[in-house]
Amino acid sequence: DVKVTQSSRYLVKRTGEKVFLECVQDMDHENMFWYRQDPGLGLRLIYFSYDVKMKEKGDIPEGYSVSREKKERFSLILESASTNQTSMYLCASSHETGSGNTIYFGEGSWLTVV
Amino acid sequence: QKEVEQNSGPLSVPEGAIASLNCTYSDRGSQSFFWYRQYSGKSPELIMFIYSNGDKEDGRFTAQLNKASQYVSLLIRDSQPSDSATYLCAVILNFGNEKLTFGTGTRLTIIP
Repeated sequence: DVKVTQSSRYLVKRTGEKVFLECVQDMDHENMFWYRQDPGLGLRLIYFSYDVKMKEKGDIPEGYSVSREKKERFSLILESASTNQTSMYLCASSHETGSGNTIYFGEGSWLTVV
Repeated sequence: QKEVEQNSGPLSVPEGAIASLNCTYSDRGSQSFFWYRQYSGKSPELIMFIYSNGDKEDGRFTAQLNKASQYVSLLIRDSQPSDSATYLCAVILNFGNEKLTFGTGTRLTIIP
């Protein structure tokens, strides 16, 4: 089975702190994604990566950065956390099949910024 | 206009009845369409995908795609209480681009 693991499930951080959210997949997927999910707004794409060291902005990249140094790992970085970044963050990965039917999600990371 | 629109619900359906969930999308060039189920506090799980006009059936689930009218629907037959969840419609614009655009989801409640 595909496994997408988000190491931190629940975090509480202070405003201004630097926050790292880590995601690891074990299926040698080329593509990795970070979404956030908020009530009434659905899932919104923050960043995605098609290959090691490659990254592209999604729909809401402001306030975030990412790192993909190894194929299996995709990190989301909040350089200076703010209260409006309180959300549930979902990592996903997929093969480069072009079909979209191999996209798998991690369990989610709930971040509260106080 | 939102790229992918769903009625947020909640939609209440008696157990054993057919639940019908609808989704419209704005970009006529959209190629691939997906339905995800998400239980409260859990991550989305893929239940159906469809690429071609018409119906696609998988067990109790049927996805219907009408590209001319730009809508995709999900029918759940013989609804069970375990089907109570939020259903997310998602679209990929270009074949070969794995970027999913999601609707806001429809909350479905199956009433025993």
